[in-house]
Amino acid sequence: DIQMTQSPSSVSASVGDRVTITCRASQGISSWLAWYQQKPGKAPKLLIYAASTLQSGVPSRFSGSGFGTDFTLTISGLQPEDFATYYCQQADSFPVTFGGGTNVDIK
Amino acid sequence: EVQLVQSGAEVKKSGESLRISCKGSGYSFTSYWISWVRQMPGKGLEWMGKIDPSNSNINYSPSFQGHVTISTDKSINTAYLQWSSLKASDTAIYYCARLGNYALGHNWFDPWGQGTLVTVSS
Repeated sequence: DIQMTQSPSSVSASVGDRVTITCRASQGISSWLAWYQQKPGKAPKLLIYAASTLQSGVPSRFSGSGFGTDFTLTISGLQPEDFATYYCQQADSFPVTFGGGTNVDIK
Repeated sequence: EVQLVQSGAEVKKSGESLRISCKGSGYSFTSYWISWVRQMPGKGLEWMGKIDPSNSNINYSPSFQGHVTISTDKSINTAYLQWSSLKASDTAIYYCARLGNYALGHNWFDPWGQGTLVTVSS
């Protein structure tokens, strides 16, 4: 199975900050990576797929980049509704696997 | 609107059986695989398996093979996840999610069901 390692596991930030989350795959996955946002008590929501394509309806302050084994999710100008947990997921092969999550909370 | 609606929370005892459901609407149910994902209390996401509703072809994660059964009834646009003998360690939230275009390798999930909390007491 492909292992996905996210960092940091937690980050404290303020409204307006730029936040970057990284995700590393244990082997190359081309651009087959997705990012999800999960708020407490809610289901995950797809933000980005194919490493950098924004899902319809997702604000443009979210962006993704990377190829192969190293990927990043950037939130430019953190908003109050962005405080949540973020997961990466490799979509290269089954079983698909998720990173351990990054909790973005209020500083 | 494309949506997946899951059955309600369940409280069971160890050894009991259970089947939870996931009903799709707003799209052609047989055109997209459905997956199940587990989230244990305070933990991350674990992919359990997927089913093609058009022909009931199923793939399980090795971690869940033999422990759960995934099925579907395409006549009512519904997928199921079932256990024959629950354990306390099965306590978790279970999500169904629609897989992207499998033929194109779009192995990401959108949308997700609202989740079904399963609580198993010993």
